Amino acid sequence: DAGVTQSPTHLIKTRGQQVTLRCSPKSGHDTVSWYQQALGQGPQFIFQYYEEEERQRGNFPDRFSGHQFPNYSSELNVNALLLGDSALYLCASSLQGQGGANVLTFGAGSRLTVL
Amino acid sequence: AQSVTQLGSHVSVSEGALVLLRCNYSSSVPPYLFWYVQYPNQGLQLLLKYTSAATLVKGINGFEAEFKKSETSFHLTKPSAHMSDAAEYFCAVSDGFQKLVFGTGTRLLVSP
Repeated sequence: DAGVTQSPTHLIKTRGQQVTLRCSPKSGHDTVSWYQQALGQGPQFIFQYYEEEERQRGNFPDRFSGHQFPNYSSELNVNALLLGDSALYLCASSLQGQGGANVLTFGAGSRLTVL
Repeated sequence: AQSVTQLGSHVSVSEGALVLLRCNYSSSVPPYLFWYVQYPNQGLQLLLKYTSAATLVKGINGFEAEFKKSETSFHLTKPSAHMSDAAEYFCAVSDGFQKLVFGTGTRLLVSP
């Protein structure tokens, strides 16, 4: 059973560019969340998607946007990249209806470097 | 708002020694608490979770954690460290809607 898969694993961009990261959730999961993990820090919640809608959003600017497709996969888009956007971007999937006790399954992440 | 504080960015132990990683939480409602482990260049793997069923929670790889409401703590322990335990450990609290708030992490170093 495949877990959460993310692509690409590594990428390098320059300031001002745009990037799209992709995530396929674990089989049976319908909710996708995105987290940003800067070097030496804990993951920070960006947003969560369920039923193709953004359900929750963390303290991130509008440059960060996302999408969820009918097959539950998701994309994270970041526009006008800044040096500070360099981080590991983690996708996590889960099943709605489980409340706060639900366990998130994380992918291995996409490491973005902005030069 | 929920938050967690992990005391000690680095913890060093010898192989076979007790592992103790500290986590204190802040929550206005009964919390759901989690410990995740992250190996180099990998994502996060769940070690264990507390959901109010029992205060002592057993997880994978011999780890366990005890929920102490009076101390607002959820410390992670393992009786005997193994070299393979060297990793970054994150404590997290749930807001009740599947959003996790993570601590800053503790890097566990295990020496032979």
